[in-house]
Amino acid sequence: SAVISQKPSRDICQRGTSLTIQCQVDSQVTMMFWYRQQPGQSLTLIATANQGSEATYESGFVIDKFPISRPNLTFSTLTVSNMSPEDSSIYLCSVVDAGQPQHFGDGTRLSIL
Amino acid sequence: ELKVEQNPLFLSMQEGKNYTIYCNYSTTSDRLYWYRQDPGKSLESLFVLLSNGAVKQEGRLMASLDTKARLSTLHITAAVHDLSATYFCAVDSTSRLTFGEGTQLTVNP
Repeated sequence: SAVISQKPSRDICQRGTSLTIQCQVDSQVTMMFWYRQQPGQSLTLIATANQGSEATYESGFVIDKFPISRPNLTFSTLTVSNMSPEDSSIYLCSVVDAGQPQHFGDGTRLSIL
Repeated sequence: ELKVEQNPLFLSMQEGKNYTIYCNYSTTSDRLYWYRQDPGKSLESLFVLLSNGAVKQEGRLMASLDTKARLSTLHITAAVHDLSATYFCAVDSTSRLTFGEGTQLTVNP
């Protein structure tokens, strides 16, 4: 199955700043997604990253707060904008590759001070 | 809106014992996943269940799916300490996953 690399693996940021997380896959994949896992919680889908077009956001998530790009079939970015302590979470990229289970990158552990 | 409920949320069991984790979901689905998450780690795919009556087994874990009852189970046989982790079920709707709350399993010697 495709190998997913997420960067950075962790970061500590000041409130009011923005951070861009990168997700690189070693082969072309059909679909890419971004999830959030708040401390001690389950995972929630933020959006589907669409190649060459605007991402599709789930209820409760908006483009201004979580802009997403997917310029090609192997790469996507998620930006967490104007961060507050409530944004402290693990952010995970996942991919769907033909015939393979959806699988996840190692995640980005984000803390906001 | 698709809802996925797992129970129990916390499970403490002794080595050698058997137990079952339940995953109920509210609407029809394409497939159902079980994942394992160790502390500070990402998710590891355990099983993908595609059809009614599907049963898959790997080591001491066995997963099943009843689409009519909208129920999946993850059965643990003769638990060992290495199985301590959080287990999530996730229901797939056009590849968008809705996760259960997770079951935090602790296996005690």
